[in-house]
Amino acid sequence: AQSVTQPDIHITVSEGASLELRCNYSYGATPYLFWYVQSPGQGLQLLLKYFSGDTLVQGIKGFEAEFKRSQSSFNLRKPSVHWSDAAEYFCAVDNTNAGKSTFGDGTTLTVKP
Amino acid sequence: GAVVSQHPSWVICKSGTSVKIECRSLDFQATTMFWYRQFPKQSLMLMATSNEGSKATYEQGVEKDKFLINHASLTLSTLTVTSAHPEDSSFYICSAIPGTVTYEQYFGPGTRLTVT
Repeated sequence: AQSVTQPDIHITVSEGASLELRCNYSYGATPYLFWYVQSPGQGLQLLLKYFSGDTLVQGIKGFEAEFKRSQSSFNLRKPSVHWSDAAEYFCAVDNTNAGKSTFGDGTTLTVKP
Repeated sequence: GAVVSQHPSWVICKSGTSVKIECRSLDFQATTMFWYRQFPKQSLMLMATSNEGSKATYEQGVEKDKFLINHASLTLSTLTVTSAHPEDSSFYICSAIPGTVTYEQYFGPGTRLTVT
């Protein structure tokens, strides 16, 4: 069965600093990979996705993620964090081609002024 | 585009009553919708897959008779929590997949259910 690991439960960064959120997956082939953001009491918003092709994926709000097959990782990055980026971030994988995703446990991002 | 709505956004009900939550795809047709449950500070747990015109497929451990799902049309799925108990209090989120793109799902804003 596929699984997703987000090793960092909580990350705190200063506003303007760079950010990297880690995501590792367990699956034999290359699944579809997603990063979502969730603000308190809200649903999930898709930041970016990787299906195939260029392993560096650009998303919304200045986020990007890099797929590394050798490391089974899909880490999310942002060069300069804004206070409004404080939220919960979920990595997800889908190997079913049917939209049925497995989610990681999430990483809570706190941004210090 | 690809907007999913949920109604209500929050609901309080008494123990023993039933409550219905609606999930609508506003600008696309969704042959498949998913229902998730999320506890505070936790990840999303898939409850069931809802397919238009057929019975829902429930994940292991989810009570079919307690969480009734009806996908009546290509734009509407409903989740009814029957005989609700305080332990059913949670954040329920739906997502919908456009008919032609099977690997992208769009999420609703969620419904906060509190059972007193």
